Amino acid sequence: GAVVSQHPSRVICKSGTSVKIECRSLDFQATTMFWYRQFPKQSLMLMATSNEGSKATYEQGVEKDKFLINHASLTLSTLTVTSAHPEDSSFYICSARFQLLGTTEAFFGQGTRLTVV
Amino acid sequence: KQEVTQIPAALSVPEGENLVLNCSFTDSAIYNLQWFRQDPGKGLTSLLLIQSSQREQTSGRLNASLDKSSGRSTLYIAASQPGDSATYLCAVSGSGGGADGLTFGKGTHLIIQP
Repeated sequence: GAVVSQHPSRVICKSGTSVKIECRSLDFQATTMFWYRQFPKQSLMLMATSNEGSKATYEQGVEKDKFLINHASLTLSTLTVTSAHPEDSSFYICSARFQLLGTTEAFFGQGTRLTVV
Repeated sequence: KQEVTQIPAALSVPEGENLVLNCSFTDSAIYNLQWFRQDPGKGLTSLLLIQSSQREQTSGRLNASLDKSSGRSTLYIAASQPGDSATYLCAVSGSGGGADGLTFGKGTHLIIQP
């Protein structure tokens, strides 16, 4: 299957600082990538849809000024958590959809565990 | 708004048993449904994808079925092994096809006892 690479896998930052997470599609081009967040014992929740060359689309309740998304190329999307606070501590994971055999399948990165202290 | 429910939330069985994980969704207008496996602190591994027009898919010891009209899917695991221990997630894609993100259930935490 297609490979999506995400890093860092873990990051610890101080409250008030910003953290950037990268998501790359390694062997295919992705005009659209997705960012999810997962709190302990909860399901993955879609945060935003990242569109190459245009503005991201955010889900209701997700602050676009806090979670900055940039999709500058067909293989790279970045999520920057600005002015991070302890409540932003979570597991963030990206996804890209790959078209194969008449359907589109979602592939996921390894995820990033963010801890804000 | 689409909602996905997975039952049971947790399951512990001895090695060798066949088992069934259940997934239901409220809006039958889906593009496809995927089953994933998630190991602790890790990303998601895609197990099976079922198009909305399909009834089932098989891969090795795994078989997934889809009844779109009733909003249900099951994941059948045959001859379970300790290595199957993980959280299994069901996710659906809306009728917008590849342009949509996925809606996930909370998962079934599976433990296979050696």
